[in-house]
Parts: sequence; structure tokens; C-alpha cells
Amino acid sequence: SQTIHQWPATLVQPVGSPLSLECTVEGTSNPNLYWYRQAAGRGLQLLFYSVGIGQISSEVPQNLSASRPQDRQFILSSKKLLLSDSGFYLCAWSAGTGVNQPQHFGDGTRLSIL
Amino acid sequence: AQKITQTQPGMFVQEKEAVTLDCTYDTSDPSYGLFWYKQPSSGEMIFLIYQGSYDQQNATEGRYSLNFQKARKSANLVISASQLGDSAMYFCAMREGESARQLTFGSGTQLTVLP
Repeated sequence: SQTIHQWPATLVQPVGSPLSLECTVEGTSNPNLYWYRQAAGRGLQLLFYSVGIGQISSEVPQNLSASRPQDRQFILSSKKLLLSDSGFYLCAWSAGTGVNQPQHFGDGTRLSIL
Repeated sequence: AQKITQTQPGMFVQEKEAVTLDCTYDTSDPSYGLFWYKQPSSGEMIFLIYQGSYDQQNATEGRYSLNFQKARKSANLVISASQLGDSAMYFCAMREGESARQLTFGSGTQLTVLP
């Protein structure tokens, strides 16, 4: 069966520091991968998605970036974190882009910027 | 305009009773999918149930069923025989078009099951 791993679970970082969140998927090939951010008490906002290695699409312009160095690895990065980057970050995968394909989420990373 | 609207910020239900969580959507694409997710306080998003725009019957998955009214553009989640473990935030989401990339989420409904 397919599993998705996301780490770290919790992260506290100072303003201006770099960021690297990692997500890996097991048990499937060529998944579509997604990074979402969820503000407290709100729905999810799509940040990036990828349909293949090295293919990244950005939905929201900001100081975050994403990379997909391997088929089942998705990384969210920042060179300099802002206070507004605080939130709950979720990685997800789906088997395709059809309307009937659910996205399956990791356990998330709670990021606090001080 | 909001693509997904969940008008109930919070709901309470007695254990063992049924509860309906509302969701209305807005799209002009004839092909779309509707999803419900559960988010416990621990944070993970758990996929519950899916309904396609061309499906003739309402989707069911165990204690979860979807009351799909296409003309009214509503896709309400029905949870039967509520359990204490059902207490969580519930999100309705939509994927539009055959090459859709993202899910568009509603703002969620916080369900509390009372003993």
C-alpha cells in the first residue's frame, strides 16, 4: 500500500533563517505531489504541485520554493523565513489529475516563526 | 465567489445519532469531483468519500454517505451512528476539469460528538 512521510512534525525557526521540509511517498510510481499551507482554523491553500521530476508549478508567489529531485521526493524550501510563513504545512500525493483522484496527505509540519 | 462553501463553523451531535454537514459548490465545468476530508486535532487530513459529477448514485463508505443534489450544487456529508472519535474538523473539497491539479477546499466544519 502507499504511504506518505513528512518531516519534521514540528519546527520552530527564527525570522530570516532557511527552511527545508521533506516529503516522500512509498508504494507508487510517478505520483502527483503537492504542498499546501493551512492557517489556523482555515482551509488549505495550494502552494506548489509537481507532475514529475523537476517539474514544479507555483500557485502562490512568495518566498517559498519547491523541488522534486527524485520521483517520490518533494521538498519545500525557503532561503529566509518571514513571520507570515508560520502555519501548518501538508504534503499530499495523488495517482493522477483526473477529477476522481483523491489526494492523500502526510501528517503535516507545524512551523512557528519567532 | 467562493468555490466551496461550508456554512456551519461548528456542529454538535449526540453519540449514536446521525449528523449532516453542509457543503455547496460553484463550478461551470460539467466534470468535477467532490471530496470530504476529516482532520482530527492531530492535524492529518484523512480522505473519507468521493462523489463524481456524473455519478448517478450517492456515494457511501461505511458510516459516511454523501447526499449529492446536483441541481442545487450541494454535496452534504451524512455521518450515521456518530462516535466520539468522529469529533474533528471536516472539509469539503472540489476538483474541476479532467486535468485538474488542485483541490479547492472549504473553510471546514468543526464537529463535536457529545457522550
